Amino acid sequence: GAVVSQHPSWVICKSGTSVKIECRSLDFQATTMFWYRQFPKQSLMLMATSNEGSKATYEQGVEKDKFLINHASLTLSTLTVTSAHPEDSSFYICSLYLQGSLQTQYFGPGTRLLVL
Amino acid sequence: GQQVMQIPQYQHVQEGEDFTTYCNSSTTLSNIQWYKQRPGGHPVFLIQLVKSGEVKKQKRLTFQFGEAKKNSSLHITATQTTDVGTYFCATDSWGKLQFGAGTQVVVTP
Repeated sequence: GAVVSQHPSWVICKSGTSVKIECRSLDFQATTMFWYRQFPKQSLMLMATSNEGSKATYEQGVEKDKFLINHASLTLSTLTVTSAHPEDSSFYICSLYLQGSLQTQYFGPGTRLLVL
Repeated sequence: GQQVMQIPQYQHVQEGEDFTTYCNSSTTLSNIQWYKQRPGGHPVFLIQLVKSGEVKKQKRLTFQFGEAKKNSSLHITATQTTDVGTYFCATDSWGKLQFGAGTQVVVTP
């Protein structure tokens, strides 16, 4: 199966700062990756679709200017939380999409963000 | 979009007992996937079901997809402490996963 890494695994930052989270596909080309967010004791919610070489598409209610996604290569997608606030504290998880395979989704280990 | 409702939200199980978690949808699903998320971890893929009435087994786990493709279940027999975690069902639409609320499983020895 595919291996997806995320960096950093943990980040604590002050309110108002920006945080960049990297998601790497280590052994498959990733034309499409997805970003999810999970608040404590809740389910995962899709935030956006990251497309290599084009603009990301965002789910309803997700601010595209706040959550900047860049997918400049076939192995790396980045999510930048701009001007983070305490309500942005969450578990951010990316996934690699392999269409047509028995397992279509491979999740990264996630990044826990705590905004003070 | 398609919504999947999952019950129960919590499941306390004594070690050795069986339990079942259910997913239901008001619309026909093209597929259903099941994931397990350990405390502090990320979702781990368990299985995907696509056929009406499909039943798949993985050791002590049995997955079913309803005949009408509107519901699915995960049944675990002889629960072990390693089964602790939250089990999610999800439906995949061109790569976009819509997750159920999850069933948090606590196992008491």
